[in-house]
Amino acid sequence: GAGVSQSPSNKVTEKGKDVELRCDPISGHTALYWYRQSLGQGLEFLIYFQGNSAPDKSGLPSDRFSAERTGGSVSTLTIQRTQQEDSAVYLCASSLVAAGGETQYFGPGTRLLVL
Amino acid sequence: AQSVAQPEDQVNVAEGNPLTVKCTYSVSGNPYLFWYVQYPNRGLQFLLKYITGDNLVKGSYGFEAEFNKSQTSFHLKKPSALVSDSALYFCAVRAGGKGNNRLAFGKGNQVVVIP
Repeated sequence: GAGVSQSPSNKVTEKGKDVELRCDPISGHTALYWYRQSLGQGLEFLIYFQGNSAPDKSGLPSDRFSAERTGGSVSTLTIQRTQQEDSAVYLCASSLVAAGGETQYFGPGTRLLVL
Repeated sequence: AQSVAQPEDQVNVAEGNPLTVKCTYSVSGNPYLFWYVQYPNRGLQFLLKYITGDNLVKGSYGFEAEFNKSQTSFHLKKPSALVSDSALYFCAVRAGGKGNNRLAFGKGNQVVVIP
């Protein structure tokens, strides 16, 4: 079946502009996660959604970052007033449920470059 | 807090030789441990996980990993490396218990298999 998909695959933007990154999880998966992969920082957790519960936003680095998940499926990560340090690969993952042993399946990522 | 250490930046191995990628973790309570592989310009691909039970876990593409509770380690192994195994490998841990749904990743190990 189809895996996690993300769009766009690459995004180049100018400092100060807003960007939106999209994630389509695996059909039927109730949990959705966003991570950021940057040089020197490795992979860091950003935000997590589970069903209709309030999202865990504890990994968002600043209030310029926000995410929503509509209808329990597609998610959008928004970065406002982008800065050069936001340049990274943004990875989305989904799992069947949010339980400790559940495997998270990752999308191909969106490579963001802020000039 | 949960954390993962992957002490080596790069692992070089000759094709046909055994491959080992080291991982140690720190977590409160019982750990859930995962290995992922990342090929260039691709997302993370799940290899295997330890939840409970046998300490030796077998996964995709001939990889296996051994959970050692006393040494808090979860080293990835493959008896005979292939050139196609050259990639970036990530170890990740998730603490057991309700409410903890994020993965903590190590910084990754670049594996280079030399023909």
